[in-house]
Amino acid sequence: DQQVKQNSPSLSVQEGRISILNCDYTNSMFDYFLWYKKYPAEGPTFLISISSIKDKNEDGRFTVFLNKSAKHLSLHIVPSQPGDSAVYFCAAPRDNAGNMLTFGGGTRLMVKP
Amino acid sequence: KAGVTQTPRYLIKTRGQQVTLSCSPISGHRSVSWYQQTPGQGLQFLFEYFSETQRNKGNFPGRFSGRQFSNSRSEMNVSTLELGDSALYLCASSLVDFSTDTQYFGPGTRLTVL
Repeated sequence: DQQVKQNSPSLSVQEGRISILNCDYTNSMFDYFLWYKKYPAEGPTFLISISSIKDKNEDGRFTVFLNKSAKHLSLHIVPSQPGDSAVYFCAAPRDNAGNMLTFGGGTRLMVKP
Repeated sequence: KAGVTQTPRYLIKTRGQQVTLSCSPISGHRSVSWYQQTPGQGLQFLFEYFSETQRNKGNFPGRFSGRQFSNSRSEMNVSTLELGDSALYLCASSLVDFSTDTQYFGPGTRLTVL
């Protein structure tokens, strides 16, 4: 079963505009979420996280929003830059110890100059 | 500080063969996890090792196995390779706990099974 889902496999955005990447989850026990960014031929790199005690976490151009009632989180990138073009994964720790991450399928973001 | 390293970076094998992939975590990190990435399935968790013990395991067949050494280096083995095993295999390390410690990923080993 896919406990973390990213329903948009790809997203194309013009440089300077906002990119919004979405992620849905099914397990209400998840209390911590992470976003990773992955360039081709490289491993994913940690981008930003959010704890369920918050509904928003901001780090520079990146903001993650969490809607617990809807079991939905989103990553906003403002303004989008061509270097942001990558695959973005949302993830949640799957077990009580938080040591097993479950990932969404990823969304490929393309930022056009 | 050196990052997570994985060797080899690329591998080509034929069906039925076996393969061993290696991962060296960041110095001081004791947790090492392995993931498989395929276009259709995204990133899937294989297993996680901590202090030379498999602590968590994903939903993969027994052909996939691993181990961790006393210096935290880890190896992953796939026996009786199938075409569907062609994927990017990623290793990640963290201090102790994924949920509170940032995971750092290696560049991956791209395995092609012919």
